[in-house]
Amino acid sequence: KAGVTQTPRYLIKTRGQQVTLSCSPISGHRSVSWYQQTPGQGLQFLFEYFSETQRNKGNFPGRFSGRQFSNSRSEMNVSTLELGDSALYLCASSSSPGLTNEKLFFGSGTQLSVL
Amino acid sequence: GDSVTQMEGPVTLSEEAFLTINCTYTATGYPSLFWYVQYPGEGLQLLLKATKADDKGSNKGFEATYRKETTSFHLEKGSVQVSDSAVYFCASRDTGNQFYFGTGTSLTVIP
Repeated sequence: KAGVTQTPRYLIKTRGQQVTLSCSPISGHRSVSWYQQTPGQGLQFLFEYFSETQRNKGNFPGRFSGRQFSNSRSEMNVSTLELGDSALYLCASSSSPGLTNEKLFFGSGTQLSVL
Repeated sequence: GDSVTQMEGPVTLSEEAFLTINCTYTATGYPSLFWYVQYPGEGLQLLLKATKADDKGSNKGFEATYRKETTSFHLEKGSVQVSDSAVYFCASRDTGNQFYFGTGTSLTVIP
């Protein structure tokens, strides 16, 4: 079974641009969540999607948005990039959110650098 | 809101030394607790978990006990190896299925 796949692996953008990141969950997983990882802040929760609906949202500005498609693949978009958006963006999938023993499966992340 | 606080690193230990990484949580309900590990260049992997008070999670020689009275979930290993070098994240999950992660603790084990 293939793991969580994130593309691209690396991205370099300039301030003001926008970017779209992609995540393909493990086959059969319907929940996808996104995290921003920075050295000083650790993992910060962005949002979670389940069956194409956003279920949870973290405390990020509206420049950060996402969506999920019918095949459970998810995209995250950041508009009007700022230098502080430079981070590793991690995607995680799970099969049935809400179960006590549920765990997250993480992708290797997309490293975004904003210049 | 819920949050997780873990000891700051980096931590450097000699091989076969004893490891403790402290983790405490705040929560309005009764969260599930997790330790995730991130090896260089990889995503996070679940190391162990505990879903209720007094549960002990264990895996690969690592252990952590869910202590409700001290709201803690400290990670321990009796004898670390060079291959344990990684970043360790403590996390909680609330009843709404939202995860809260600590800032991570970098561990380096030297031979």
